[in-house]
Amino acid sequence: ETGVTQTPRHLVMGMTNKKSLKCEQHLGHNAMYWYKQSAKKPLELMFVYSLEERVENNSVPSRFSPECPNSSHLFLHLHTLQPEDSALYLCASSPGPGSYGYTFGSGTRLTVV
Amino acid sequence: DAKTTQPPSMDCAEGRAANLPCNHSTISGNEYVYWYRQIHSQGPQYIIHGLKNNETNEMASLIITEDRKSSTLILPHATLRDTAVYYCIVRVPEGFYFGTGTSLTVIP
Repeated sequence: ETGVTQTPRHLVMGMTNKKSLKCEQHLGHNAMYWYKQSAKKPLELMFVYSLEERVENNSVPSRFSPECPNSSHLFLHLHTLQPEDSALYLCASSPGPGSYGYTFGSGTRLTVV
Repeated sequence: DAKTTQPPSMDCAEGRAANLPCNHSTISGNEYVYWYRQIHSQGPQYIIHGLKNNETNEMASLIITEDRKSSTLILPHATLRDTAVYYCIVRVPEGFYFGTGTSLTVIP
């Protein structure tokens, strides 16, 4: 247990479904991040939140919608996904968006059918 | 985009030191070098980081060259549980950008 908890651990969804991934951190950190890791590819930074404000959005399709209601919680809302969106989705947090290390959760393995 | 270059794979005998190299020739003066590892689809785990001095902790040592254009992560006594993908990352203001890393296999 790293202090960053992601649920669910596994998710299978159809292309017409709407689902949400949840991330929670109990480290008192002020920045949170979503990464996507597809098979055989590097981790891709998707979204960055600092003090609940989105500060980075790396050209992610609108079918992925993040939400950060407070500094401890981060959501990734999913709708009308494609099979190529199947991947490991990782959440991370850090004390701040500057020169600090990240603590990662264990990820949600998403399969779109 | 990642600012680092690493060999795609390495082997190391159990009990021996594993030396993982990383090139970061375009690193800026105030950018830190971080090392993480990822064991089979788990979340990446922090190992160590440094700016220009060599660093050591309970997991590993980090040797950074004087010109800061390259570094080496040293696992002093590799075990089978150290088999993982090791990422060398230059920390930029907007966050961590991961490359493809080095897949380290520790052989019994």
